[in-house]
Amino acid sequence: EIVMTQSPATLSVSPGERVTLSCRASQSISSKLAWYQHKPGQAPRLLILDASRRVTGIPARFSGTGSGTEFTLTITSLESEDFAVYYCQQYNKWPPITFGQGTRLEIK
Amino acid sequence: EVQLLESGGDLGQTGGSLRLTCVASGFSFSTNAMTWVRQAPGKGLEWVSGISSSGDETYYSDSVKGRFSISRDNSKSTLYLQMNSLRADDTAKYYCAKDRSSWQYWGQGALVTVS
Repeated sequence: EIVMTQSPATLSVSPGERVTLSCRASQSISSKLAWYQHKPGQAPRLLILDASRRVTGIPARFSGTGSGTEFTLTITSLESEDFAVYYCQQYNKWPPITFGQGTRLEIK
Repeated sequence: EVQLLESGGDLGQTGGSLRLTCVASGFSFSTNAMTWVRQAPGKGLEWVSGISSSGDETYYSDSVKGRFSISRDNSKSTLYLQMNSLRADDTAKYYCAKDRSSWQYWGQGALVTVS
């Protein structure tokens, strides 16, 4: 099983700031990585596919980079609606498909 | 518009059974793989099970293998998750999602509580 590790667990930031979330895979997953945003009471929202491809309708302030075992999600100029939990997920080698434990983005 | 509507969430007994249903609309259900993902209270997302478009191939996480069964009825655009031998750690919101390995479309979830 591929273990996905996200850091940090929680990030306190102010609106307007730039933030970078990290995700590491226990073995190479090529670029088979997705990022999701999840808010309480809502379904998860797919942001990024294939490590860097923004899904249709996702604002340009969200960007993903990385390949192999190291990945990042960057959000430039945070807006109030961006405060949520973010998960990375690998789909290179499965089953099982695995998620990171999440990074909570909270308002400072 | 893609819509996924789960039902069947309920309070179940330890050792008991429940069946979740997900009715799909707005896309060609019979040509798409489907997935169940869950989130336990205060925990992260966990992939549970997946099924191919025809239903010939099914996949399970180790935590539910042998207890849960995924199936589909393409004539009814409906996905199922039969959950047997329920345990307390199966308590979660269960989401159905369109596609095999990454998911743009999700239902709103069905809450399963096992006590």
